[in-house]
Amino acid sequence: QKEVEQNSGPLSVPEGAIASLNCTYSDRGSQSFFWYRQYSGKSPELIMFIYSNGDKEDGRFTAQLNKASQYVSLLIRDSQPSDSATYLCAVNRGGSQGNLIFGKGTKLSVKP
Amino acid sequence: GAGVSQSPSNKVTEKGKDVELRCDPISGHTALYWYRQSLGQGLEFLIYFQGNSAPDKSGLPSDRFSAERTGGSVSTLTIQRTQQEDSAVYLCASSHNRAGMDTQYFGPGTRLTVL
Repeated sequence: QKEVEQNSGPLSVPEGAIASLNCTYSDRGSQSFFWYRQYSGKSPELIMFIYSNGDKEDGRFTAQLNKASQYVSLLIRDSQPSDSATYLCAVNRGGSQGNLIFGKGTKLSVKP
Repeated sequence: GAGVSQSPSNKVTEKGKDVELRCDPISGHTALYWYRQSLGQGLEFLIYFQGNSAPDKSGLPSDRFSAERTGGSVSTLTIQRTQQEDSAVYLCASSHNRAGMDTQYFGPGTRLTVL
């Protein structure tokens, strides 16, 4: 089982719709969870982080964490063409180790 | 303030040559990470430095890869006797401290091409 799994997509949604990106992880000891956005040819940039079960909202973005199900998701409301990018889910290793384990990313395409 | 910087932005080398990649973290960040990203792949962890502690080298793919961090700031990743499979974008990131809990900020990367 891969440590962090994401659907590679592409996920295509119309402008203004809600985009839902999902991620599962295998290490039950993981404590922190991150969503990064990566435009083609660019480096990843942080969108959101979440540490506790439940929802965390920031503008059009909502991160959801369910540690029992080992599942983290990112919702993007009112999707815009500028949201078109690859979204990387990252999870820290259990035991407070520093490095993050990244999924391969989900490519999102928002159609005008 | 200034973000993470990396140099060179692009490096083309011949198989068998050694290369050095440089990372300048955000000022005040004690943790520094190296990752690499091959075409169409996710980020692969290579090595992690935290303050004065011994680095976590668990992600280095072979003994041809090494890294050092001088004075707790700038880091250099060295790849000896480069192979074509080393071609990738090498990304450096830094964070404040609290291993695994703090946000990592990425530099622009170095695109390495081994001919």
